[in-house]
Parts: sequence; C-alpha cells; structure tokens
Amino acid sequence: DQQVKQNSPSLSVQEGRISILNCDYTNSMFDYFLWYKKYPAEGPTFLISISSIKDKNEDGRFTVFLNKSAKHLSLHIVPSQPGDSAVYFCAASLQTGANNLFFGTGTRLTVIP
Amino acid sequence: ETGVTQSPTHLIKTRGQQVTLRCSSQSGHNTVSWYQQALGQGPQFIFQYYREEENGRGNFPPRFSGLQFPNYSSELNVNALELDDSALYLCASSLVGPATDTQYFGPGTRLTVL
Repeated sequence: DQQVKQNSPSLSVQEGRISILNCDYTNSMFDYFLWYKKYPAEGPTFLISISSIKDKNEDGRFTVFLNKSAKHLSLHIVPSQPGDSAVYFCAASLQTGANNLFFGTGTRLTVIP
Repeated sequence: ETGVTQSPTHLIKTRGQQVTLRCSSQSGHNTVSWYQQALGQGPQFIFQYYREEENGRGNFPPRFSGLQFPNYSSELNVNALELDDSALYLCASSLVGPATDTQYFGPGTRLTVL
C-alpha cells in the first residue's frame, strides 16, 4: 500500500527554468513532509521540509508547497542548475510514534545545460 | 560535526547466511532508523531505535533485528538471508524532540544475496 506517490518517474528541464516535482499522499494523518535528493551511490540528502500547519516553505532556490485538502505537495526549483540533476524523493511522517518516513518512489530530474 | 557513516559499503552473501550492518549516528543524535531500498523503489522503514530500545517497526519479519548502543551507534542484523533481501540498506539518525523529524541518512550498504 503506497501511501506516498510520485507519479512522474522522470523530468527534464532546461537550465535556468523552473523544475516542478509533484507528490501525492493518501494518509490524512501525515503532518510533516520532506524532500530528499539522492545522487548515485550516496544516501538521500535532506533538502527542505514543511509542517502541515503551513502551506509554503522556502529555502533559497527551493520552495515546497502543501495543499492539504488535495493531499498534494510540490517542490519548485528556480532557477534549475545542472547540479540539481538527481533523484528526488518525497517523504511524509506522523508526529507520533516512531516518526518513520514513508517515501515515494522518486522522480529523476535531469537539468539540461 | 561528523555525518552518518555506514559500514561496509558493499557486501555479498549467499542465501541462508547471516549479515550485520553497522551505522554511526550524526553527533548529538539519539535516534536511529533503518530503511531498505530495493532497486527502483523508495526507502522502506524497517525499524527505529531510541535510547537503545526499539521504537517502532515496519512490515519486516523478525529475522530483521537491531541494536543501538550507548554511544548511539547501531547494528542491523538479518538472519536466514533470502534473495529478495538484496537491496541498499540505509541508516538515518535524528534528534527526537518537538518538530525535529528531519532524518539524516548515511551513504548506505549495498547487500547482494546470491
């Protein structure tokens, strides 16, 4: 039962343009959401997070938007750079219990120079 | 401040054998979680340890077990290895507290079961 879904396995964007990565979830109890970036042969690197009490969080070129009613979040990267090319994972957690992360299957972003 | 480290980097075992994977948490972190990432999938939660006690478990059989030590380093043990156990095993550490759910991952151990 995949509670976090990333329906786009891959995305290609020109350098300097905006990259938008999408994520949907089914469990309305999720209250904390994170994006991780993963390069080959490395572990996931934390990028940005958002609590369910917010609808937007910004950190430099990265912005995460949360639409709780639609159970949807997105990561915007502006401007996109070739070094952003990686696999991006969306993850969600509950504030209670083990706080374990539920991951999507990832979206491979390729930024074309 | 050192990050999360894992050993070994790669490991090859045969079906039925036992394996131990190791993780050193990021400095100051008191919680460690283990994840299994199969090819083409996102990481799946195995279990979490907090102050040396298991603090939650995912949908994995009892042959997956763990330990957390007083210095917050951790081990993942898998008995009676099966072919489907071939995956990247990720360790993540975090500091349990209000609004501190961010987990920081190590580079992983690639396990191949033949």
